[in-house]
Amino acid sequence: GENVEQHPSTLSVQEGDSAVIKCTYSDSASNYFPWYKQELGKGPQLIIDIRSNVGEKKDQRIAVTLNKTAKHFSLHITETQPEDSAVYFCAASSGSGGGADGLTFGKGTHLIIQP
Amino acid sequence: DTAVSQTPKYLVTQMGNDKSIKCEQNLGHDTMYWYKQDSKKFLKIMFSYNNKELIINETVPNRFSPKSPDKAHLNLHINSLELGDSAVYFCASSQGGRDRTEQFFGPGTRLTVL
Repeated sequence: GENVEQHPSTLSVQEGDSAVIKCTYSDSASNYFPWYKQELGKGPQLIIDIRSNVGEKKDQRIAVTLNKTAKHFSLHITETQPEDSAVYFCAASSGSGGGADGLTFGKGTHLIIQP
Repeated sequence: DTAVSQTPKYLVTQMGNDKSIKCEQNLGHDTMYWYKQDSKKFLKIMFSYNNKELIINETVPNRFSPKSPDKAHLNLHINSLELGDSAVYFCASSQGGRDRTEQFFGPGTRLTVL
């Protein structure tokens, strides 16, 4: 089955600086890579996703890059703000369940924005 | 309007009891999921249902049984609760098909087994 590794487990950056979180996956059949943000006491919320036919995607201050050959993908947050503080999860999905397959998550990164 | 809702939000119970968690989505999705988040915040898929049919059943004890009365509901029944079942359980939904779409997560149910 799929295995997703995520680093770092904790990331502390100064407000206004950039943050980068990296993930690797093991199953070459994986073709969908979402990123979720989880705030304390809440469910995960999708912030951006990328499919295997795209190398990069950007949405305002957030961008995701995908390297299929190396089987890794990264989340980039620029101009970080206090409200960016949360736990971020990367995930991968292979589509083996005909579109109903679950996501395999990384272990999460606790992002701390220092004022 | 709540997209994916779960009840109860908190559940505290004794070992050996049987309990249920309910999930409802009003997004018109045809696929629903249950995930377990442990104390270290690791999220793991437990089940997925597509059009009321079980698609994924990960390595989960058979004390856990999902029930889908219709496409908008996926309930989780847990029998003979054990201490290790303590976790946060999340329901999610998405629209299935080849082009996978976003999975929307509920607010979670924190289960504590004493």
